[in-house]
Amino acid sequence: DGGITQSPKYLFRKEGQNVTLSCEQNLNHDAMYWYRQDPGQGLRLIYYSQIVNDFQKGDIAEGYSVSREKKESFPLTVTSAQKNPTAFYLCASSMRQGNDQPQHFGDGTRLSIL
Amino acid sequence: KQEVTQIPAALSVPEGENLVLNCSFTDSAIYNLQWFRQDPGKGLTSLLLIQSSQREQTSGRLNASLDKSSGRSTLYIAASQPGDSATYLCAVPLSGTYKYIFGTGTRLKVLA
Repeated sequence: DGGITQSPKYLFRKEGQNVTLSCEQNLNHDAMYWYRQDPGQGLRLIYYSQIVNDFQKGDIAEGYSVSREKKESFPLTVTSAQKNPTAFYLCASSMRQGNDQPQHFGDGTRLSIL
Repeated sequence: KQEVTQIPAALSVPEGENLVLNCSFTDSAIYNLQWFRQDPGKGLTSLLLIQSSQREQTSGRLNASLDKSSGRSTLYIAASQPGDSATYLCAVPLSGTYKYIFGTGTRLKVLA
């Protein structure tokens, strides 16, 4: 079955540590997105990518970094510069960048501070 | 600036009831509107996407309508079931961008 796989499901970060969240899709989608979800708030866009080797900052990119070396993969690194990383992180993809294609989501990674 | 509001934030209904969830947006220049379902601790599942040229979309017991001029969309759920219990979110793309703006959701509980 086609879909988006996020791993790990739960992740714990120590102070000063960088951690990487994995997102893989086998839907042959061009566009991929990373969102952060906090309790009582809507989803906020961290980064998005239209094609391989290209990505743009979203609304809350500070303290995060991404890469898009393969079409199927869009990993997110939460750096030590992100002072409040505890949240639920969601990866999404769509067939092509644009406003007429639905977004498909993974099951998320919950990140907590040790 | 586009803002998306969902009211109510939470809703509890008995099984079998028909119900309506509301989504309002401030900028009517949207290309589409998407409704999602989110179960606790899970990602979002796309339910319906309505293009700006459409007035409604149906999938099974779900019907979503779109009124761009008034900046409103409704999600109608017929004959609700306990399995419908989840948080329902709506989202609209920012005009001319690839960013979606999400509402904070309506948490629905259907009582058996």
